[in-house]
Amino acid sequence: DAGVIQSPRHEVTEMGQEVTLRCKPISGHNSLFWYRQTMMRGLELLIYFNNNVPIDDSGMPEDRFSAKMPNASFSTLKIQPSEPRDSAVYFCASSGGGLRNGKLFFGSGTQLSVL
Amino acid sequence: DQQVKQNSPSLSVQEGRISILNCDYTNSMFDYFLWYKKYPAEGPTFLISISSIKDKNEDGRFTVFLNKSAKHLSLHIVPSQPGDSAVYFCACLSGTYKYIFGTGTRLKVLA
Repeated sequence: DAGVIQSPRHEVTEMGQEVTLRCKPISGHNSLFWYRQTMMRGLELLIYFNNNVPIDDSGMPEDRFSAKMPNASFSTLKIQPSEPRDSAVYFCASSGGGLRNGKLFFGSGTQLSVL
Repeated sequence: DQQVKQNSPSLSVQEGRISILNCDYTNSMFDYFLWYKKYPAEGPTFLISISSIKDKNEDGRFTVFLNKSAKHLSLHIVPSQPGDSAVYFCACLSGTYKYIFGTGTRLKVLA
């Protein structure tokens, strides 16, 4: 099992540019999460999908952020336009078979730097 | 407003001694608690969990303690090993899916 796969690993862009982060969850997992990690706030939940449907996007900071899950094996997080304060590590995580077992499987993250 | 706080950003411990990582939360509705471990350039990985109906859960060298009245969670690692050096996040479950994470504590185990 390859685990949760995220791309790119690193992204450096200029303010105002569009950024797209990608995630392939573990096959068979029906829950997918996007988190953002910053020093000040730790890991913040941005959006949660269940069976490809967005259930909770209350953590998406602004309209500049959008996320899609067109099928069970792929999700994207888009920032348009990007700003320097969006610089952070973005993690995708997936889970299957019940969330109370704590089994969130995280990808390796995308380190985003907006100059 | 941080609902889950890890007030110690870093901790250094000698190899073989006990490491104690602490976590405080404010929401009394949280009923499931977890610890995750994160190495550099990797995503967090699940370490140990505890339900609110218990006050202790043990898994090998790792023990999690829960004090509901104090809204306090701690992770004990005994004995600490250099390979335990990582960032540790506590997380509290709100509802059925929303894990609220703390800011993390960087543990360094000195050989």
